[in-house]
Amino acid sequence: EVQLVQSGAEVKKPGESLKISCKASGYSFIDYWIGWVRQMPGKGLEWMGIIYPADSETRYSPSFQGQVTFSADKSINTAYLQWRSLKASDTAMYYCAVQRGDTGFDDFQFWGRGTLVTVSS
Amino acid sequence: AIRMTQSPSSLSASTGDRVTITCRASQGISSYLAWYQQKPGNAPKLLIYGASTLHSGVPSRFSGSGSGTDFTLTISSLQSEDFATYYCQQYYNYPFTFGPGTKVDI
Repeated sequence: EVQLVQSGAEVKKPGESLKISCKASGYSFIDYWIGWVRQMPGKGLEWMGIIYPADSETRYSPSFQGQVTFSADKSINTAYLQWRSLKASDTAMYYCAVQRGDTGFDDFQFWGRGTLVTVSS
Repeated sequence: AIRMTQSPSSLSASTGDRVTITCRASQGISSYLAWYQQKPGNAPKLLIYGASTLHSGVPSRFSGSGSGTDFTLTISSLQSEDFATYYCQQYYNYPFTFGPGTKVDI
């Protein structure tokens, strides 16, 4: 059974850094692109980008390029989403999700439960 | 980026109704189209990929059709557990993009 277990909710101040995680199990972690989706309060889904854990190749949405960093640790089957300096507008739920195939051009077949990030002074 | 639009943005329906949601892409995306269902407080779930292929475990009352720029999601007989928000997503070109969602309520 595929599982994506995300780290717990975070409350941060503007300007602080943050790294949230997504631990995968039930499939070959290095063989499938894993991605991140943002959902701001009361809003729709936004595709942030994807990472291929085998070689850490990434594809960022221009809306998030330079604002966040994706990484992956193959040794512990975990993907990460990182901010260097948070803003209040980063307040949102962040989902990780794994693609169906290994081409990078696929839907998100399985999803984590999300990590709520709140940024407030 | 490819822009995805959905109509209607919301609809009210009753159990047993046939419901159709439309998704349109700003340029052709072949069949690189997925549909997701999201219930309040929950993560999205994949319903359909490749525009018309039902994801494993999804009830057969859900169906998808279309290719190119115009797509539809149909629920043949709405059940109580289907009241949710539905999103389409293109995965033809980076950045992949979602539609704004269609909320189906009672």
